[in-house]
Amino acid sequence: EVQLVESGGGLVQPGGSLRLSCAVSGFTFSSYEMNWVRQAPGKGLEWVSYISATGDTIYYADSVQGRFTLSRDNAKNSLYLQVNSLRAEDTAVYYCARATMVVAAFDYWGQGTLVTVSS
Amino acid sequence: DIQMTQSPSSLSASVGDRVTITCRASQSITSYLNWYQQKPGRAPKLLIYAASTLQSGVPSRFSGSGSATDFTLTISSLQPEDFATYYCQQSYSTPSTFGQGTKVEIK
Repeated sequence: EVQLVESGGGLVQPGGSLRLSCAVSGFTFSSYEMNWVRQAPGKGLEWVSYISATGDTIYYADSVQGRFTLSRDNAKNSLYLQVNSLRAEDTAVYYCARATMVVAAFDYWGQGTLVTVSS
Repeated sequence: DIQMTQSPSSLSASVGDRVTITCRASQSITSYLNWYQQKPGRAPKLLIYAASTLQSGVPSRFSGSGSATDFTLTISSLQPEDFATYYCQQSYSTPSTFGQGTKVEIK
């Protein structure tokens, strides 16, 4: 069974940092591209970042470029999102999602981890 | 960035109704269009990818059509478990972008 489990969210002050993790199981992690998608309270879905299967290609949304860093450890079946210089507008549930090999649709999602940025 | 515009933003429908949601891209995305269903407090669920391919396990009352800039999600006979918010997404180019969502409510 494919599973993605996020962790690392919490309450942080503006300007603070967190490291979000996504532990996966049930598939060959090293063969799949991965993404982070976030959803602010009561709002829609916003793509945040992408990483290729090998980790050598990474993209970020303009809204997080320079503040967030995505990485993966294929030996540990894990994805990491380092989020720095947090702002109130970064408050959201953060989901990791696997991309299909066909058209890069997001076929499996974790349950999400809530990041709240507030003083 | 490619903008995705869904309509309507919300709709009220009854069980058994045929429901259609449209999604328009600001430029051609060929068939790189995906549809998701999200229920409150839950992660999104992939329903349809590549505009018209039903994801494994998704009921056949869901269907998708379209290409280039105009796409449609149809629920042929709305069931109680289908009341949710639906999002389209383009995976044609980075950044991937989502529509604003369509909330399907009970009439």
